[in-house]
Amino acid sequence: DQQVKQNSPSLSVQEGRISILNCDYTNSMFDYFLWYKKYPAEGPTFLISISSIKDKNEDGRFTVFLNKSAKHLSLHIVPSQPGDSAVYFCAASANAGNMLTFGGGTRLMVKP
Amino acid sequence: KAGVTQTPRYLIKTRGQQVTLSCSPISGHRSVSWYQQTPGQGLQFLFEYFSETQRNKGNFPGRFSGRQFSNSRSEMNVSTLELGDSALYLCASSEGSNQPQHFGDGTRLSIL
Repeated sequence: DQQVKQNSPSLSVQEGRISILNCDYTNSMFDYFLWYKKYPAEGPTFLISISSIKDKNEDGRFTVFLNKSAKHLSLHIVPSQPGDSAVYFCAASANAGNMLTFGGGTRLMVKP
Repeated sequence: KAGVTQTPRYLIKTRGQQVTLSCSPISGHRSVSWYQQTPGQGLQFLFEYFSETQRNKGNFPGRFSGRQFSNSRSEMNVSTLELGDSALYLCASSEGSNQPQHFGDGTRLSIL
């Protein structure tokens, strides 16, 4: 049973426009959520996180939104740049633990 | 600060052998977690160590084990290797609970 799902395996966006990546979860015990970016042959790079007590967190071009009632989070990248092209993973943990459950990833392609 | 360092980067073994992978966390990070990434199962949590104690364990057979030393460095061991153990093994460290985990670039293990 996949507790964290990224339903879009890929997304293509024009440079300068907004990229919106989505993630759904089923476990209501999840209280901490993260987004990672991954290039081939490298480990995931941490982008941004959000605690369940918040509904929005911003860091530069990256904003994460959390809708607890819908068990949905999204990552907005504005403006998108070609260097943002990578696979993006959402992850979640429960009860202040460090056991991350990952989604399957979304491949973002930003076209110049 | 130096990032998470994993050695070796690549490893080739044959079925039935055992293997030990090493991880040096970011200085000051006491939590070290291990993950397995495969094309079929995605990123899956193996175990977490904090202050030399295993704090969480994922759903993997007992052939997968680990330990953490007093300097927070960690090793993971897989015994009686099977073809299905071919994967990218990732180590991540964090300062504590509900803090971002930072990943190394992984060890690519291939079983022949």
